[in-house]
Amino acid sequence: GENVEQHPSTLSVQEGDSAVIKCTYSDSASNYFPWYKQELGKGPQLIIDIRSNVGEKKDQRIAVTLNKTAKHFSLHITETQPEDSAVYFCAAGGTYKYIFGTGTRLKVLA
Amino acid sequence: DAGVIQSPRHEVTEMGQEVTLRCKPISGHNSLFWYRQTMMRGLELLIYFNNNVPIDDSGMPEDRFSAKMPNASFSTLKIQPSEPRDSAVYFCASSPVAGYYEQYFGPGTRLTVT
Repeated sequence: GENVEQHPSTLSVQEGDSAVIKCTYSDSASNYFPWYKQELGKGPQLIIDIRSNVGEKKDQRIAVTLNKTAKHFSLHITETQPEDSAVYFCAAGGTYKYIFGTGTRLKVLA
Repeated sequence: DAGVIQSPRHEVTEMGQEVTLRCKPISGHNSLFWYRQTMMRGLELLIYFNNNVPIDDSGMPEDRFSAKMPNASFSTLKIQPSEPRDSAVYFCASSPVAGYYEQYFGPGTRLTVT
């Protein structure tokens, strides 16, 4: 069935360093790729998304890249700050249904 | 806007009891989703409503689970009878238009079945 693999499952970086999280999807019909941030005790919140007709998108310290041929997409966070510490989920979707990755727990060390 | 509202935030119940989770989507959103989150299975879509009509309930685990959306501003997810394996965090999300748009998640209901 449809699947989204996400790596790594945990990631620790020093404050100010960059963090990269990678996802691979299986359904070639997927055309929408959101990234969600989930803080403890809260619901997931969208931080950035990308559509299949775009290869890269940037919003301040956050960027996402998409390689449709390889079915890969990645989240890049630069100049990490302690408040970036959270669980990050990628998702792949089309129409209404999103398949979520298993999450990456990011810890930014001060 | 207050965002998606869910109640209760925490629910502890005994096996066999009926549990009802409630959701109020963002006003004007016509799509509503119920998700379940567990460590083992991650975030799973349970059911999707569009314009108050259930479109996809293929994620509902079994007949013990049912969901309704009597109007555009209210939805319920009911588990009857509840079992310990139902323990999870249940999220409701809404979207202005299904498909290419952000899904706005509520704070979730943490359900514990003992």
